[in-house]
Amino acid sequence: KAGVTQTPRYLIKTRGQQVTLSCSPISGHRSVSWYQQTPGQGLQFLFEYFSETQRNKGNFPGRFSGRQFSNSRSEMNVSTLELGDSALYLCASSSYGRTGELFFGEGSRLTVL
Amino acid sequence: AQTVTQSQPEMSVQEAETVTLSCTYDTSESNYYLFWYKQPPSRQMILVIRQEAYKQQNATENRFSVNFQKAAKSFSLKISDSQLGDTAMYFCAFTQGRNAGNNRKLIWGLGTSLAVNP
Repeated sequence: KAGVTQTPRYLIKTRGQQVTLSCSPISGHRSVSWYQQTPGQGLQFLFEYFSETQRNKGNFPGRFSGRQFSNSRSEMNVSTLELGDSALYLCASSSYGRTGELFFGEGSRLTVL
Repeated sequence: AQTVTQSQPEMSVQEAETVTLSCTYDTSESNYYLFWYKQPPSRQMILVIRQEAYKQQNATENRFSVNFQKAAKSFSLKISDSQLGDTAMYFCAFTQGRNAGNNRKLIWGLGTSLAVNP
């Protein structure tokens, strides 16, 4: 089975721009979660999607949004980028057979200049 | 506030020895799950071990075991017979609430960087 695939792996943007990150979950997994990872704050939950519906949301401003498609692939978008948005964005997929086990992608490393 | 504290930012251990990573958490919920995840350098995060709060027995997975002290809100990870491939960042995390088992909103510690030396 192919793992969780995130694209792009690296990207550089400037302040004010917007960015879209993509995540393809493991086949059969209908839940996709997004996390922001920074050295100072660690991993922080952004949101989770299940069957195209947002099930849960973290404490991030409205500039951070996401969606899920019928094939379970998910995208997250950050608008009006700020320097503090520089981070590793991790996507994780899961099924509801094994409690709490998240399968992570390698992440998309965003640098905002 | 729900928090996870990993008091050891960095640790090192000699190959084949045993090491224990500490984790304390704070929650007012009675139903929660605890996890240790491992993030090797430049590789994906993977689940090492999980513990359900209502289970008294400590979880074990091969060389990995936990010491779960519910009253003290402590959840340490013991790695026996350390191997070079255990070198990674280790994160303690938990989910909580009525639907803790299906909750994907994990609360994470800042991690412990473990180096296994030959």
